[in-house]
Amino acid sequence: QVQLVQSGAEVKKPGSSVRVSCKVSGGSFNTHEITWVRQAPGQGLEWMGRIIPALTLTNYAQKFQGRLTITADQSTATAYMEMFSLTSDDTAFYFCARSPSTGGPGFTYASSWGQGTLVTVSP
Amino acid sequence: EIVLTQSPDTLSLSPGQSATLSCRASKSIWSGYLAWYQQKPGQAPRLLIYDASSRASGIPDRFSGSGSGTDFTLTISSLEPEDFAVYYCQQYGGSSSFGGGTKVELK
Repeated sequence: QVQLVQSGAEVKKPGSSVRVSCKVSGGSFNTHEITWVRQAPGQGLEWMGRIIPALTLTNYAQKFQGRLTITADQSTATAYMEMFSLTSDDTAFYFCARSPSTGGPGFTYASSWGQGTLVTVSP
Repeated sequence: EIVLTQSPDTLSLSPGQSATLSCRASKSIWSGYLAWYQQKPGQAPRLLIYDASSRASGIPDRFSGSGSGTDFTLTISSLEPEDFAVYYCQQYGGSSSFGGGTKVELK
């Protein structure tokens, strides 16, 4: 059974950055797509970006270009999401998720999800 | 970027009734690469349907997906108490994006 375990809640000041980790266990890591999705309180899901570690391939939603970096450490099967220049609009739960199958560079869906990490941006 | 519009925003139904949720794309989704998720309060989303009509592992057959091109539908044939939740569609045919969600609430 694949498990994704995320790092704990964060409180950040406006203008700062945050890094959230996502450790994958119980299944392969390198060849699966890891996606980051966020959800502001009471709002819908927002696709942020993804990485396929074995292909060193990353893609970002246009909205986050230049402000978001997704990386992966294959030796520890851990993915990271780092966002810069935070504002109060970035207050949200951040989820990592993993695709169920390996494949090429095309985008795909997610079958396993982390528990979510609350990031609060407040003066 | 493909924009997904879900309708209605809220569906008020009783157990045993069927639910029909719509997801419309701003342009055709290549190969029908559309998924549906269910989310309950305080939980991560759960995959229900992928590739427009394939049920994910462990999903009851009362959930079914259909559609192609720009119009997709999730049908829940007979609502169980545990089906009252918010449902999201996601396209992955060109980059990826989610719809705004449809809440299925108890009438």
